Amino acid sequence: GNSVTQMEGPVTLSEEAFLTINCTYTATGYPSLFWYVQYPGEGLQLLLKATKADDKGSNKGFEATYRKETTSFHLEKGSVQVSDSAVYFCALSDGGGTSYGKLTFGQGTILTVHP
Amino acid sequence: EPEVTQTPSHQVTQMGQEVILRCVPISNHLYFYWYRQILGQKVEFLVSFYNNEISEKSEIFDDQFSVERPDGSNFTLKIRSTKLEDSAMYFCASSSGAPQYFGPGTRLLVL
Repeated sequence: GNSVTQMEGPVTLSEEAFLTINCTYTATGYPSLFWYVQYPGEGLQLLLKATKADDKGSNKGFEATYRKETTSFHLEKGSVQVSDSAVYFCALSDGGGTSYGKLTFGQGTILTVHP
Repeated sequence: EPEVTQTPSHQVTQMGQEVILRCVPISNHLYFYWYRQILGQKVEFLVSFYNNEISEKSEIFDDQFSVERPDGSNFTLKIRSTKLEDSAMYFCASSSGAPQYFGPGTRLLVL
């Protein structure tokens, strides 16, 4: 079946540091890939997505590129802020280009950014 | 901006009791989902619902679980006889095709 593996956390950085959170996946077919973020006390929010190989998703300074050859979708940000402190989830959907397929999540990575 | 809402935010119940978790999806969405996250573990898919019927369910979603869309706005998850291992955060999500929008979750504690 499908699976998603994220790097172990928690991750602690100083403000303006470079962020990478690794994500690799196993799937049959051609899944869509997502990063969701959960701020304290809130629900999961879609951060970015990519629906086919070599697509780059980006939002709020975060980027991730769908790499089929390495089955990866690593999240990066060039300069993190304290407000980026949250839990980040990598996920895949086997619904093709849509999201009505179920999502399979990674275990989540806690990010804490200090001033 | 429209959002998915869930009630209650927290629920404590005794083992063997029935619980109903409620969700109000975004109004023009057609696909509805329940997920759960046991503390320290991954977010897991439970069930998807479309056109007034279950479209897919996981092996977790056994006969103790049921879902219903009783009216045009609510989407509920019922656990008939709760077990200790049902303690988790339950997330509702809805979609019009892309992407899935999540609610803030209901934290269920079974004693």
